[in-house]
Amino acid sequence: GAGVSQSPSNKVTEKGKDVELRCDPISGHTALYWYRQSLGQGLEFLIYFQGNSAPDKSGLPSDRFSAERTGGSVSTLTIQRTQQEDSAVYLCASSLTRGLGSGNTIYFGEGSWLTVV
Amino acid sequence: RKEVEQDPGPFNVPEGATVAFNCTYSNSASQSFFWYRQDCRKEPKLLMSVYSSGNEDGRFTAQLNRASQYISLLIRDSKLSDSATYLCVVTPNSGNTPLVFGKGTRLSVIA
Repeated sequence: GAGVSQSPSNKVTEKGKDVELRCDPISGHTALYWYRQSLGQGLEFLIYFQGNSAPDKSGLPSDRFSAERTGGSVSTLTIQRTQQEDSAVYLCASSLTRGLGSGNTIYFGEGSWLTVV
Repeated sequence: RKEVEQDPGPFNVPEGATVAFNCTYSNSASQSFFWYRQDCRKEPKLLMSVYSSGNEDGRFTAQLNRASQYISLLIRDSKLSDSATYLCVVTPNSGNTPLVFGKGTRLSVIA
């Protein structure tokens, strides 16, 4: 597709259930990011993939959160045993490269809105 | 000191006004700088890159001051449609670290 695609766009889940959020980056983009944004708050970095390098997981808030990126393209963010504080919009973004210059402009998907009840 | 700091606002300005936002960053080795715009309940979208020489795009002007480690965004002749949150984004020097976002400055343009 032309842009970053995320699914589901909305998800309501019960506390304690696991959820999977999917991101399909722009074709050819080697860098992929996951951010989280709670209502009225700034973007919180979660995890970053760059090509075949080991991902930067430094932003994952707990071991209930994990992410993978298969074949250097699609990524899945998994939240296990969801808690109410996990409610937020989860934004995926991609960029052409992590190099310097304009190529590292990142483009966001529309987000997956997660509500844990 | 936070990596990227912005005045959260809100800035409430009348239509036609000129408004300026500043953003400071802590990593002096930062390489690239951007302003993103985020509408309510929408994803952030690139507004403009910020170049060392300063750059202008219509009513929007971005400036970078490396010595003082801040970037600015000037909006002239504000429109109602400019109402949004403006996010300052900084690329660290290190090749394997993610972009750093400020928390954003909220602008409301009032008729």
